[in-house]
Amino acid sequence: NAGVTQTPKFRILKIGQSMTLQCTQDMNHNYMYWYRQDPGMGLKLIYYSVGAGITDKGEVPNGYNVSRSTTEDFPLRLELAAPSQTSVYFCASSYQGARTDTQYFGPGTRLTVL
Amino acid sequence: AQSVTQLDSHVSVSEGTPVLLRCNYSSSYSPSLFWYVQHPNKGLQLLLKYTSAATLVKGINGFEAEFKKSETSFHLTKPSAHMSDAAEYFCARSGGTSYGKLTFGQGTILTVHP
Repeated sequence: NAGVTQTPKFRILKIGQSMTLQCTQDMNHNYMYWYRQDPGMGLKLIYYSVGAGITDKGEVPNGYNVSRSTTEDFPLRLELAAPSQTSVYFCASSYQGARTDTQYFGPGTRLTVL
Repeated sequence: AQSVTQLDSHVSVSEGTPVLLRCNYSSSYSPSLFWYVQHPNKGLQLLLKYTSAATLVKGINGFEAEFKKSETSFHLTKPSAHMSDAAEYFCARSGGTSYGKLTFGQGTILTVHP
């Protein structure tokens, strides 16, 4: 049981490039989330999904897109990378999205845009 | 809007002395509250959570937290710090949405001196 896995661990992009951050969970969780972590700011929600085929925006969705074709996978797409997207990205999952549910986090992807 | 405030950005203690990390939350109906720990270059790991059962919550590695509704606080404590406790700690809350969104505090970096 690997939990939540993310690839790549590190990536450097040039301004204007695009990339996809991969996230997979093997816990059969319905809810999945993408957060970004900036120093001194805590974590901010980018997008979330309540099940395959259903996604919605979080607090900071601009510049990102997501899809959820399976229960296990929830990739995050960056189009036209900008320096403001330099951050650490975390994927998380929870069983039902209830307020008492624990969210399980992946190890993160550290992205630098130059 | 829901908010979480961690009152100290950095806390420094000596090994073997008590740890206190402070967290206040904005008042609302029945919040669930969480403490996560993040070791360097790692993902977030759940330490403990409050879900409106017992107000004193025990977590992993000897940590505990007390929910105080009158003070809107959820401070994290440990009687005796260990070198391995050095990490960043995040307080978070859920509630008020249908999808389990977590609102995070800014984080507290705990340094443990020998």
